[in-house]
Amino acid sequence: QKEVEQNSGPLSVPEGAIASLNCTYSDRGSQSFFWYRQYSGKSPELIMSIYSNGDKEDGRFTAQLNKASQYVSLLIRDSQPSDSATYLCAVKDNQGGKLIFGQGTELSVKP
Amino acid sequence: DVKVTQSSRYLVKRTGEKVFLECVQDMDHENMFWYRQDPGLGLRLIYFSYDVKMKEKGDIPEGYSVSREKKERFSLILESASTNQTSMYLCASSLGPSGRVTGELFFGEGSRLTVL
Repeated sequence: QKEVEQNSGPLSVPEGAIASLNCTYSDRGSQSFFWYRQYSGKSPELIMSIYSNGDKEDGRFTAQLNKASQYVSLLIRDSQPSDSATYLCAVKDNQGGKLIFGQGTELSVKP
Repeated sequence: DVKVTQSSRYLVKRTGEKVFLECVQDMDHENMFWYRQDPGLGLRLIYFSYDVKMKEKGDIPEGYSVSREKKERFSLILESASTNQTSMYLCASSLGPSGRVTGELFFGEGSRLTVL
């Protein structure tokens, strides 16, 4: 069974700090990685995708990928209370093409 | 904007009842999915469909079936509901081409099913 693992948290950071969310995956052949954000009572929405080793930046968000170590992370700079949500890591199954989700990390940004 | 609409936000059913969960998307997406979401378990794929009348089992298909008679509509069926099927059910769609799943899924608002 291919797996995606996340620390469920909750992760609590003060406003303005950097939040670091981590994810590991078991399928060494995976090539596509995604971060979804899910506010309480809402459905997930895609915020970042990354396909190559290294960093990808989009505003306050940076996704980092290390295929050799099989981990992907999401950094949120200058965290805001509005960033408080559950962040889901998703990995595309290299064989079947479907997305495999981690259990999500709950982030709480305190004012 | 892509809109994925699930017919019922909240349902309460009794053990043994047949349950239909409907999902409609308005962006002509080829791929559609049904997930369930439970605390601590994340999103688990039940079934997905690449095209009309095509379906593929996900990771937890037992106790469920699906129907896709039209491109825009994907239904999840619980033939005989059981208490362990109490969950949040999320429908999603994504652009194809058919058989190739992009990573961008558009989710509906979810259907919270309680089976008593």
